[in-house]
Amino acid sequence: GAVVSQHPSWVICKSGTSVKIECRSLDFQATTMFWYRQFPKQSLMLMATSNEGSKATYEQGVEKDKFLINHASLTLSTLTVTSAHPEDSSFYICSAKIDASVHNEQFFGPGTRLTVL
Amino acid sequence: AQSVTQLGSHVSVSEGALVLLRCNYSSSVPPYLFWYVQYPNQGLQLLLKYTSAATLVKGINGFEAEFKKSETSFHLTKPSAHMSDAAEYFCAVTGRAGNQFYFGTGTSLTVIP
Repeated sequence: GAVVSQHPSWVICKSGTSVKIECRSLDFQATTMFWYRQFPKQSLMLMATSNEGSKATYEQGVEKDKFLINHASLTLSTLTVTSAHPEDSSFYICSAKIDASVHNEQFFGPGTRLTVL
Repeated sequence: AQSVTQLGSHVSVSEGALVLLRCNYSSSVPPYLFWYVQYPNQGLQLLLKYTSAATLVKGINGFEAEFKKSETSFHLTKPSAHMSDAAEYFCAVTGRAGNQFYFGTGTSLTVIP
């Protein structure tokens, strides 16, 4: 149980295009999902908290208009990288918190490797 | 506010030797603490978690960690390292009221045959 999937697992795109990454909780409902970015050999950096039915909460320094987050259902959150540039190349990981969780545990997706040419 | 510090960004052990990965936390409230493992190009897999039920927590793959409030530590150990343990390990803390996880900077474990 508590499986989170991400699609695609990797994507290569041209500079200036937009890329959408999906995060799904497969066997539980998740009102709250999180998007992280990870640079090589570094820790996870929280980008935003995605809340079903409301606007995402972005961390300081993260551009809302560049990283569009939509949490349209209790099992799906999407991250769209708009007008991608090579500096957006990174490993993006989502996580989800079980609504009934009492320990705030997050379950992580397998990550999406984005390469912008 | 919560934070974690992982001492040692790189740890090397011989196969069969004790693994000790250090994590110290800072929290203004009783914390929940987690250890995750990450293999190359993969997401994070939960090894174990401390949720105040017991100070010695046993996890998967033979790992365990002990919560020591007096030392504000939650070090990860394994009696005998396997080659398959080579990976990146992250300690994380979250407060009981909030959602946000605070991750340490990670420790890369190398197992020498």
